[in-house]
Amino acid sequence: GDSVTQTEGPVTLSEGTSLTVNCSYETKQYPTLFWYVQYPGEGPQLLFKVPKANEKGSNRGFEATYNKEATSFHLQKASVQESDSAVYYCALRFNTNTGKLTFGDGTVLTVKP
Amino acid sequence: EAAVTQSPRNKVAVTGGKVTLSCNQTNNHNNMYWYRQDTGHGLRLIHYSYGAGSTEKGDIPDGYKASRPSQENFSLILELATPSQTSVYFCASGDGTGGNAEQFFGPGTRLTVL
Repeated sequence: GDSVTQTEGPVTLSEGTSLTVNCSYETKQYPTLFWYVQYPGEGPQLLFKVPKANEKGSNRGFEATYNKEATSFHLQKASVQESDSAVYYCALRFNTNTGKLTFGDGTVLTVKP
Repeated sequence: EAAVTQSPRNKVAVTGGKVTLSCNQTNNHNNMYWYRQDTGHGLRLIHYSYGAGSTEKGDIPDGYKASRPSQENFSLILELATPSQTSVYFCASGDGTGGNAEQFFGPGTRLTVL
């Protein structure tokens, strides 16, 4: 069946270092891919989305490329800030008929000053 | 400003009691969703709705009911609460079934069942 797997956390980085959060998926369909971010005490909010294969999404210095061949959608940022500390979720929409999202387990990122 | 609100924000219930979690959205979205969030499991879909009067089972519906009396409101009902239902619950709304449609989340309700 359809599934999403992402980097297990927690991940702790120092300010100014680079981030990669891995996200891989299994499906026979053509999903739309999303990255959501959740700050403490809040609900998840959309970071960006990519509906088409081989395209890149980006926002706030984060980016990810929809790699259809590798079935991956890794989140990257060249230089993290303390304010980036949050939980990051990879999510996929496998079925456009329902609008349902399937989320990965989330990766907790802590950035130390 | 369009928003998804949830009430209560925190709830303590007793085992066997009835719990109702409420969600209201001003986004005028057709679809609404209920998720629970647990460490190690991410966000898991409990129930969802395509519009007033409709409810559909998600991936983990056992022990939960849902009600969508209007476009704006979507409730999650625990008829007989159990300690395993202790979790953080999130409501979301979405503007339909288009491939690009994102979901907008509320701030969550922390439920503790003793």
